[in-house]
This record gives sequence, structure tokens and C-alpha cells, in this order.
Amino acid sequence: DIQMTQSPSSLSASVGDRVTITCRASQGISNYLAWFQQKPGKAPKSLIYAASSLQSGVPSKFSGSGSGTDFTLTISSLQPEDFATYYCQQYNSYPSFGQGTRLEIK
Amino acid sequence: QVQLVESGGGVVQPGGSLRLSCAASGFTFSSYGMHWVRQAPGKGLEWVAFIRYDGSNKYYADSVKGRFTISRDNSKNTLYLQMNSLRAEDTAVYYCAKDRALYCSSTSCPIDYWGQGTLVTVSS
Repeated sequence: DIQMTQSPSSLSASVGDRVTITCRASQGISNYLAWFQQKPGKAPKSLIYAASSLQSGVPSKFSGSGSGTDFTLTISSLQPEDFATYYCQQYNSYPSFGQGTRLEIK
Repeated sequence: QVQLVESGGGVVQPGGSLRLSCAASGFTFSSYGMHWVRQAPGKGLEWVAFIRYDGSNKYYADSVKGRFTISRDNSKNTLYLQMNSLRAEDTAVYYCAKDRALYCSSTSCPIDYWGQGTLVTVSS
């Protein structure tokens, strides 16, 4: 099984900040990496697939990068609606998720 | 627009069974693989199962293998999850989710849309 580890587990930031979340796979997954956003009591929302491709309708303030084992999600110019929990997921083999990163308002 | 609507959740005793449904609309259901993903209260996301667009291949997480069965009826645009021998640790919100790619035959395709989820509680 492929383990996904996100860091940090939680993050405090201010409106207007730029933040980066890291995801590491326990073995190489090429670019089979997705990012999701989840707000309390809501279903996840797909943001990025293939490590760096934006899902339809997702604003360009979200960007992803990486390949192999190390990946990042960057969110620029944080707005109140961006404060949520973010998950990475590998789909190179049976899918698995990171533990989540909770992004809170400072 | 794509819509995925889960139903069938509820309270069930340990050892019991439940069948979840996911009604799909807004896309050609028979052309896309589908997943079930669950989330225990206050916890992260856990992939549960995948079924190929034509139902010919199915994959399961080790935690549910032998107890859960994923299936689909393409004539009814509906995805199912039959859950047997339920345990307390199966308590979660269960989401259905759609593959982004057409005709994906394995779990190696990304998800694009999610349903709103249905809560399953296993308790005596």
C-alpha cells in the first residue's frame, strides 16, 4: 500500500496570504496525484488532478506541482472561502489519501 | 450538470447489512468508472471501492474486502454498495464519486465529481 503524508497537519494564515501544503508518497507515483478541498459538513471538491492540472471551474489561484514522491499545493491570495481542509490522494494504484491539512484563519 | 445523489444510509446493528445507492445524472453514466469513498466522524477520507464503467472489474480496500460489494445498473444510472457484516468501524459518511476520464478500466484515473454523502451508523 502507498502511504500519503501531508504537512503541515494544520496551518494558520491571513486573508491575502500565499500558502503551500506538501504531500509525500511512500513510493513513486509519477504524477498520479490529486488535491481536494473540503469544508465542514460538505462533500469534498476536486481541485487538481495529474499533480498540476486544474479541474474545470477551479480558479487559477490554486496550483499544484511535483512528480515521483513529493508534491505541493499552493494557494495564492487567500480569501475567506479558501479556509477549509485539503487532502491529497494518489491514484497510481489502489487510491489512498493523505491525512488532511486544516487551513485556518489567523 | 453532473449530479450524484446517495441514499440508503441509516442506523444498523453490528453484523447487519445495508445497501447504499447513488443516482447519477447529467452525464453518460455507462461511460465512467465510479468510486465509493467514506469518512468516519471527525476523520479523513478513505477509499472503499471502484467499479469499471461496464461493471466488469471491481476493486476493494482491504478493510471491506469480502464484506462489501460494489455494483451498478447502467440502465438505471445507479451505483450501489452492498454492505454486509457491518462493524462499528464502518460508521461513516459514504460518498459516491465519478471518474474524470472516459472508459477508465482501473483505479488509476482521477475523480472529478462527488455526491453529498449518506451517513451510515453501526451501533447496537
